[in-house]
Amino acid sequence: NAGVTQTPKFQVLKTGQSMTLQCAQDMNHNSMYWYRQDPGMGLRLIYYSASEGTTDKGEVPNGYNVSRLNKREFSLRLESAAPSQTSVYFCASSEGEQVGTEAFFGQGTRLTVV
Amino acid sequence: DQQVKQNSPSLSVQEGRISILNCDYTNSMFDYFLWYKKYPAEGPTFLISISSIKDKNEDGRFTVFLNKSAKHLSLHIVPSQPGDSAVYFCAARGYGGFKTIFGAGTRLFVKA
Repeated sequence: NAGVTQTPKFQVLKTGQSMTLQCAQDMNHNSMYWYRQDPGMGLRLIYYSASEGTTDKGEVPNGYNVSRLNKREFSLRLESAAPSQTSVYFCASSEGEQVGTEAFFGQGTRLTVV
Repeated sequence: DQQVKQNSPSLSVQEGRISILNCDYTNSMFDYFLWYKKYPAEGPTFLISISSIKDKNEDGRFTVFLNKSAKHLSLHIVPSQPGDSAVYFCAARGYGGFKTIFGAGTRLFVKA
């Protein structure tokens, strides 16, 4: 049972390059999320998808786009990477709309923008 | 503007003793609180949660206490074990919302 799978695990980009972080879950969850973790900042929500076909901005959406490709997959795209986007990115999923439903996280993608 | 604050970046505890991790929040609309545990190079994993209609929830060695009037919650780990050494995140969410807000985390060291 893989849970939430993120690819790649590590990536180095040059400023201005673009890339897509992939995420897939096999738990038949309705909701999916992208977070970034920075030292001293905790986890901050970038974008989320409450259900297939919907996406919405989180706390720090600038510089990112997302696609909910189907129920299983939720990708995060950086169109023009900037050093400020150096971070660890986590994808997560949860059952859905119930309050307090815990999220299941992937192992993370460590992104460095030089 | 941090809505969820974990003011202690780190905590060191002797094996077998109690670990108490604290969390404060500012938004009175939060009504569900969660604790996640994170080991290095892994994603966070859910540990325990509490609804705002309760003041205590217990699961084995882990107990979460909620003081709504003080907008404060705490996680107690008794007895602490070396395997509990990790970063602990406090998180809060409001009814019907998906924007779970996380604290900055507290790194717990349990010394053998």
